[in-house]
Amino acid sequence: DTGVSQDPRHKITKRGQNVTFRCDPISEHNRLYWYRQTLGQGPEFLTYFQNEAQLEKSRLLSDRFSAERPKGSFSTLEIQRTEQGDSAMYLCASIGTSGQETQYFGPGTRLLVL
Amino acid sequence: EDQVTQSPEALRLQEGESSSLNCSYTVSGLRGLFWYRQDPGKGPEFLFTLYSAGEEKEKERLKATLTKKESFLHITAPKPEDSATYLCAVQAVTGGFKTIFGAGTRLFVKA
Repeated sequence: DTGVSQDPRHKITKRGQNVTFRCDPISEHNRLYWYRQTLGQGPEFLTYFQNEAQLEKSRLLSDRFSAERPKGSFSTLEIQRTEQGDSAMYLCASIGTSGQETQYFGPGTRLLVL
Repeated sequence: EDQVTQSPEALRLQEGESSSLNCSYTVSGLRGLFWYRQDPGKGPEFLFTLYSAGEEKEKERLKATLTKKESFLHITAPKPEDSATYLCAVQAVTGGFKTIFGAGTRLFVKA
């Protein structure tokens, strides 16, 4: 257990529905990443937060995806109007003090869109 | 374009049979190269960070090395519990905060 938690761990939804995932990073960590991982592939970068500021977002991310990190604590990732191609594992990782680049990953949220 | 390629895709070893996993990378200035281990259904677990060519790091049966074009993860006398997917990732100096992962090498160690 890395100390990073994600909720829910599993989500099944129907195409067209909206879903929201939550990530709670290690408490003293001020930086946070979201990734998407499909079977047989490595994690794919989605977005990056430093405190509450979203500093980078993948160009591959459609407008249906949005992420927030209010007050620089937990973060949420929302997918609107889900599509079957959104089925994947969504991973969150947190990092502590700048200069220490170790990312601590949560267990992930597995999304299945029917 | 920044890129990471891992080989082989899968590797089957007998217990005690040492081998190496390769990670080739193309980045516009390397900020750092990372190795992670991932077990099925779980998030990646950090192993090593390497910053400059010639650097080496060790942990139990694992040793990571770095050149200007690639990194190797050497596994000495592996045990069945070393079976996992090993992921390589890079951050580029000019890549902002983006971390680019390879597809991983799936290692199977048979007793």
